[in-house]
Amino acid sequence: QSALTQPRSVSGSPGQSVTISCTGTSSDVGGYNHVSWYQQHPGKAPKLMIYDVSKRPSGVPDRFSGSKSGNTASLTISGLQAEDEADYYCCSYAGSYTFFGGGTKLTVL
Amino acid sequence: QVQLVQSGSELKKPGASVKVSCKASGYTFTSYAMNWVRQAPGQGLEWMGWINTNTGNPTYAQGFTGRFVFSLDTSVSTAYLQISSLKAEDTAVYYCAAGTDFDYWGQGTLVTVSS
Repeated sequence: QSALTQPRSVSGSPGQSVTISCTGTSSDVGGYNHVSWYQQHPGKAPKLMIYDVSKRPSGVPDRFSGSKSGNTASLTISGLQAEDEADYYCCSYAGSYTFFGGGTKLTVL
Repeated sequence: QVQLVQSGSELKKPGASVKVSCKASGYTFTSYAMNWVRQAPGQGLEWMGWINTNTGNPTYAQGFTGRFVFSLDTSVSTAYLQISSLKAEDTAVYYCAAGTDFDYWGQGTLVTVSS
């Protein structure tokens, strides 16, 4: 089983929206509504931003939203802010195992 | 508030062993599963597996069987990751993460394997 596929990088200007995709298979992303997203700033631990495809933990701004269609999940960040610049990882449950995506570097121009 | 505090950085020689600890506070330890995640230098996150904090039963991801052992000491709300026969490619930051959705993370422990 390979890691989930994410674009290596995305970018956007402050105030714009960006979407990061996460493509898996019917055995992971497509088979379960158990996709989560993590934000990681350099030298820091990851932080949970989205779980169960589209739910936000308390304290996460509503600028962050998640969705899924078939075997592809997406994280959308609207109203980009400078502090959103970070690495983002998707994660999917797959039966007895869990897989992370390769990560996407978001640059705020 | 929930906190996971990991042990400090380690420098080990190839062939040695290392034991990383992850002490939980702010919640009932057995309420959340404990996951372990590896991040090699400049690389992404890799799920190593998890341990059921109620039963102590571990599940290891592919590539993390044999030399990797998860354990618990529930009396002190602490999870452990032991790696034996260390190799240079084990050099990484190791994170513990509590919860099915990796809700809470430790600060990470850098393990460096070098002769």
